[in-house]
Amino acid sequence: EDQVTQSPEALRLQEGESSSLNCSYTVSGLRGLFWYRQDPGKGPEFLFTLYSAGEEKEKERLKATLTKKESFLHITAPKPEDSATYLCAVSGTSYDKVIFGPGTSLSVIP
Amino acid sequence: EPEVTQTPSHQVTQMGQEVILRCVPISNHLYFYWYRQILGQKVEFLVSFYNNEISEKSEIFDDQFSVERPDGSNFTLKIRSTKLEDSAMYFCASSDPIPLEGTEAFFGQGTRLTVV
Repeated sequence: EDQVTQSPEALRLQEGESSSLNCSYTVSGLRGLFWYRQDPGKGPEFLFTLYSAGEEKEKERLKATLTKKESFLHITAPKPEDSATYLCAVSGTSYDKVIFGPGTSLSVIP
Repeated sequence: EPEVTQTPSHQVTQMGQEVILRCVPISNHLYFYWYRQILGQKVEFLVSFYNNEISEKSEIFDDQFSVERPDGSNFTLKIRSTKLEDSAMYFCASSDPIPLEGTEAFFGQGTRLTVV
């Protein structure tokens, strides 16, 4: 069965303090790994899609990387507006069904 | 920028009543989805819909749930007889998957369903 776990559950950073969030997955035949950002009471907002081990994508202070079993979301010099829950998700056997992890709640303190 | 829109943003209903949640997916997308998120829990897949039929569904999506695309723009989720445990945020999403180019789904802002 496809599974996604994320760590840590919660992360508190000082503004400017870089760190990484981890996503571990078990899936038969990865078709895509997705990172989303979710603000309280809102829908997930798409950030990145990664397809194969070794792939990297960047957007502003965020960089996502992928290995055969994990993905990392690196946050460089975060700002308070980066505070949100970051969700990792995978599609495995089909594009139709995406399985989400529980998320990492990030707080960036000024 | 195209977006998925959902109505209503908040719905309160009595237990046992039927509710219909509505969504307008992004116009050129071909796949449509419903997910739910119980407060404090993870986003859970309910159902996917393609070519006017259900293509995949989870064990959560039992006989109490149904989906429909009544016209060229709307996509609905109906819960026939609501239970207290149906209280959750329901998200609609859509995608136009092109392998290795873009397979991500785009989500609406959700409908918060409260069953009392």
